[in-house]
Amino acid sequence: GAVVSQHPSWVICKSGTSVKIECRSLDFQATTMFWYRQFPKQSLMLMATSNEGSKATYEQGVEKDKFLINHASLTLSTLTVTSAHPEDSSFYICSAPAGEGRYEQFFGPGTRLTVL
Amino acid sequence: KQEVTQIPAALSVPEGENLVLNCSFTDSAIYNLQWFRQDPGKGLTSLLLIQSSQREQTSGRLNASLDKSSGRSTLYIAASQPGDSATYLCAVRRTGNQFYFGTGTSLTVIP
Repeated sequence: GAVVSQHPSWVICKSGTSVKIECRSLDFQATTMFWYRQFPKQSLMLMATSNEGSKATYEQGVEKDKFLINHASLTLSTLTVTSAHPEDSSFYICSAPAGEGRYEQFFGPGTRLTVL
Repeated sequence: KQEVTQIPAALSVPEGENLVLNCSFTDSAIYNLQWFRQDPGKGLTSLLLIQSSQREQTSGRLNASLDKSSGRSTLYIAASQPGDSATYLCAVRRTGNQFYFGTGTSLTVIP
């Protein structure tokens, strides 16, 4: 199947700093990517849809000024958590549709963010 | 808004047992449904994808069924093994590409 990578796999930062997470499609092009957040022992919650060459679409309740998304190329989307606070600590996962007809979602391995 | 629920939330079975995981969704206007496996601290591994026009999909010891009209899907695992221990998530796709995830079932298979 298609491969999606994320970098870094984990990051620890101080409160108030900004953190950038990268999501790459390694063997296919993705005009759309999705960002999810997962709190401990909870399911994944869709945060936003990243669109290549245009603005991201955010789900209700997600602050677009806090979670900046840039989809500058067909293989790369970035999520920047600005002025991070401890409550932003979570597991962030991206995905991209791929395969014939792009029916299937392929997920990155996730990024564990810990804000001190 | 699409609500996706999985029952049970946790399940512990002895090795070799057959088991069924349930997924229900409130809006039947789905494009497809996908079952995933997630190991602790890891990303998601796709197990089975069922299109809205299909009734079931099989892969090895796994069989997933879909009843769109009643808003239900089941994942059947035959002859469970300790390596099957993980959290299983179902996700439904509506128009567009967004997936809405279920609450997950944490499975433990006891040797």
